[in-house]
Amino acid sequence: DVKVTQSSRYLVKRTGEKVFLECVQDMDHENMFWYRQDPGLGLRLIYFSYDVKMKEKGDIPEGYSVSREKKERFSLILESASTNQTSMYLCASTLLAERGFTDTQYFGPGTRLTVL
Amino acid sequence: DAKTTQPNSMESNEEEPVHLPCNHSTISGTDYIHWYRQLPSQGPEYVIHGLTSNVNNRMASLAIAEDRKSSTLILHRATLRDAAVYYCILIHYGGSQGNLIFGKGTKLSVKP
Repeated sequence: DVKVTQSSRYLVKRTGEKVFLECVQDMDHENMFWYRQDPGLGLRLIYFSYDVKMKEKGDIPEGYSVSREKKERFSLILESASTNQTSMYLCASTLLAERGFTDTQYFGPGTRLTVL
Repeated sequence: DAKTTQPNSMESNEEEPVHLPCNHSTISGTDYIHWYRQLPSQGPEYVIHGLTSNVNNRMASLAIAEDRKSSTLILHRATLRDAAVYYCILIHYGGSQGNLIFGKGTKLSVKP
């Protein structure tokens, strides 16, 4: 079974702090994604990556950056955390780059981030 | 991406079948119908997907209307572990420019 793990389940940070969220998948998947999930808004795509060192902006990239130095690891960075970035953050991966979003997405358990 | 419409909530008794409907009247010919579910405090989990024909897997069945404007996810015998929010999503084939648009989904409650 594919396993997608995220570094923390719960995180509390202060406004202005730099925050790193880590995601690791163990099945050699090419695509990796970062979403945030908010009540009433569903999942919104922040960034995705289809290869090492490659990244593409999603729908709401402002205030975030990403890093993919190794195929299995995709990091989401909040350069200067703000209270409106309080949310559930979900990482996902899919097997083949060319099948894009049509391929089955495997999600991690999520990180609930609170910014005070 | 085409939009889907689902009931906000449904209830079922344990061990009974559950039919979760989804309307997608603006579906295009190359849109796949995907279902995911999200258990409390977990990330979404893939359930099933299809294009035109009905599909079965170990988790569920997917019945797709002949005109493809609606579909139904069928859980043959609901268990307490099936209590979750179920999302019906349309994904354009080859849609590397698109993304998974999760609406509000249907919250399924299962009573013992």
